[in-house]
Amino acid sequence: AQSVAQPEDQVNVAEGNPLTVKCTYSVSGNPYLFWYVQYPNRGLQFLLKYITGDNLVKGSYGFEAEFNKSQTSFHLKKPSALVSDSALYFCAVRARMDSSYKLIFGSGTRLLVRP
Amino acid sequence: EAQVTQNPRYLITVTGKKLTVTCSQNMNHEYMSWYRQDPGLGLRQIYYSMNVEVTDKGDVPEGYKVSRKEKRNFPLILESPSPNQTSLYFCASSLSGVTPHEQYFGPGTRLTVT
Repeated sequence: AQSVAQPEDQVNVAEGNPLTVKCTYSVSGNPYLFWYVQYPNRGLQFLLKYITGDNLVKGSYGFEAEFNKSQTSFHLKKPSALVSDSALYFCAVRARMDSSYKLIFGSGTRLLVRP
Repeated sequence: EAQVTQNPRYLITVTGKKLTVTCSQNMNHEYMSWYRQDPGLGLRQIYYSMNVEVTDKGDVPEGYKVSRKEKRNFPLILESPSPNQTSLYFCASSLSGVTPHEQYFGPGTRLTVT
């Protein structure tokens, strides 16, 4: 079955420290992977995506993600966390359906950056 | 400004009273989709549309209807809402449903059915 797993419900990190939000996936065919962020009372905002090419993808707000095919992972990273990064983060994989595609989302990871 | 708009943002209603949540995008996107977000479950797709007059069921379509008469609009209809449809709803659009473009999301509609 095609799926996305975010094993941590919450990640806590101190401001200025590096952060990692984990994501693993299971999909048939080539994986197309996405990260979205949701701030309180807002819709999801696109951060970055992996389609092909370099395994390290750079996105908005200083975030990056590393695609690892052998481990079927797509972890989100940032070298130095900000308090304003505190939000809910979703990993998603594009899965092939009969005649179209759909995004399958993980359950989300809440990132809390303390001052 | 490129955006996806939803109305209303908040709605409290009673069981069985038909309601419609509107969704509109101004980016000339072909693909549109409705999701519901519930704690611990992430986002689950309700219905999607590849283009005008082309709609299909997602993972949780029961109790919902959609239509796509124009490219920009994709309303979600609950003919007879029930309490288990209390949720946060998001509309999203994408340039295409075939190529791997990112989706743009509306601000959400929080629905409570009593």
